[in-house]
Amino acid sequence: GQQLNQSPQSMFIQEGEDVSMNCTSSSIFNTWLWYKQDPGEGPVLLIALYKAGELTSNGRLTAQFGITRKDSFLNISASIPSDVGIYFCAGLTQGGSEKLVFGKGTKLTVNP
Amino acid sequence: DTAVSQTPKYLVTQMGNDKSIKCEQNLGHDTMYWYKQDSKKFLKIMFSYNNKELIINETVPNRFSPKSPDKAHLNLHINSLELGDSAVYFCASSPWGYEQYFGPGTRLTVT
Repeated sequence: GQQLNQSPQSMFIQEGEDVSMNCTSSSIFNTWLWYKQDPGEGPVLLIALYKAGELTSNGRLTAQFGITRKDSFLNISASIPSDVGIYFCAGLTQGGSEKLVFGKGTKLTVNP
Repeated sequence: DTAVSQTPKYLVTQMGNDKSIKCEQNLGHDTMYWYKQDSKKFLKIMFSYNNKELIINETVPNRFSPKSPDKAHLNLHINSLELGDSAVYFCASSPWGYEQYFGPGTRLTVT
């Protein structure tokens, strides 16, 4: 089945640093999504990308949809303690059975 | 107002029991989903319904039966619970073909 390779698995950074994480796939996706999950909560949508090459920002977050449609990255600038959590990339398959395929997540720890 | 809600938040039960998890969305979406998150935090789709019609059944044991009484509700019934069913179950909804919004999850523990 389709799989997303998300890296890194975990990151330990100091407050104020920038963060970058990415996802790659052997399959093409028409939509890439980035979610954040806090402990005991459901994933919360951060950014949705619909066009190859698209670069989209949401506050300190920036994400890009790769030109080949097989990859995406998420950057967080000037990290703060509340950025702690697990970040998931997800590719949306389309064409009759729309479903999200998730990466395995990047666990972010921010040291104050 | 909660967009996607699930009840209960926690469910502890014994092997062999039957249990249900309820999900409701007030976003007006026509598609709803059930996902399972394992102990390693991997999220995998189980089912999707579009306008009350089953679209995806992702090789889930037939002990799991989703029921959609209307577009705003998708419930999950599980028969003969097994230890391996312990996980967090998430309901989600979306407009067809667009980004999905998740509920807070139901942590199921089977003893």
